[in-house]
Amino acid sequence: EAQVTQNPRYLITVTGKKLTVTCSQNMNHEYMSWYRQDPGLGLRQIYYSMNVEVTDKGDVPEGYKVSRKEKRNFPLILESPSPNQTSLYFCASSSGGPWTQYFGPGTRLLVL
Amino acid sequence: DQQVKQNSPSLSVQEGRISILNCDYTNSMFDYFLWYKKYPAEGPTFLISISSIKDKNEDGRFTVFLNKSAKHLSLHIVPSQPGDSAVYFCAAYTGNQFYFGTGTSLTVIP
Repeated sequence: EAQVTQNPRYLITVTGKKLTVTCSQNMNHEYMSWYRQDPGLGLRQIYYSMNVEVTDKGDVPEGYKVSRKEKRNFPLILESPSPNQTSLYFCASSSGGPWTQYFGPGTRLLVL
Repeated sequence: DQQVKQNSPSLSVQEGRISILNCDYTNSMFDYFLWYKKYPAEGPTFLISISSIKDKNEDGRFTVFLNKSAKHLSLHIVPSQPGDSAVYFCAAYTGNQFYFGTGTSLTVIP
């Protein structure tokens, strides 16, 4: 089954404790992306990757890092999380025309 | 600054009638526009898209209209069904980036 998986689905952490949210897709897609969803703000793109070793900033990259060492994986790294990064995070992937993105189920993060 | 706006947070429609969801944008460089549907506790799912060189695209019960002069697009769902109740996001694409609206919650009343 074609899918995008994210782990963990729920995470509670404390300010400053480094964390990684994993994202994996099994569709051999080139384009992968991370979004955060906040009330009243919709989805905002954090980082995207056009292919292996090619990443770029989206609209709200501050406080986040990504890497793309393999085509299928695109982890999101928060080196020093802060409470304003409490949000719902989605990973997405697409191929060909990057507009038909497939989204993962989301990761709900709470930073205390 | 929000480049893609959905000014109606919610919409209620009777089953069988037409649902019209609206979206406005500010950036004339957008190449593609898309609509996504989202159920609670799930990721968004792609519904339909339209290129900036077209003014209409249909897929079954879903039709997207693009008015470039007004920088406005709309999604028509005919006939509306209870299973269509969800949050709908419009999105726009340019320069390898996506910009989403804030979403409209559609409720279809049986």
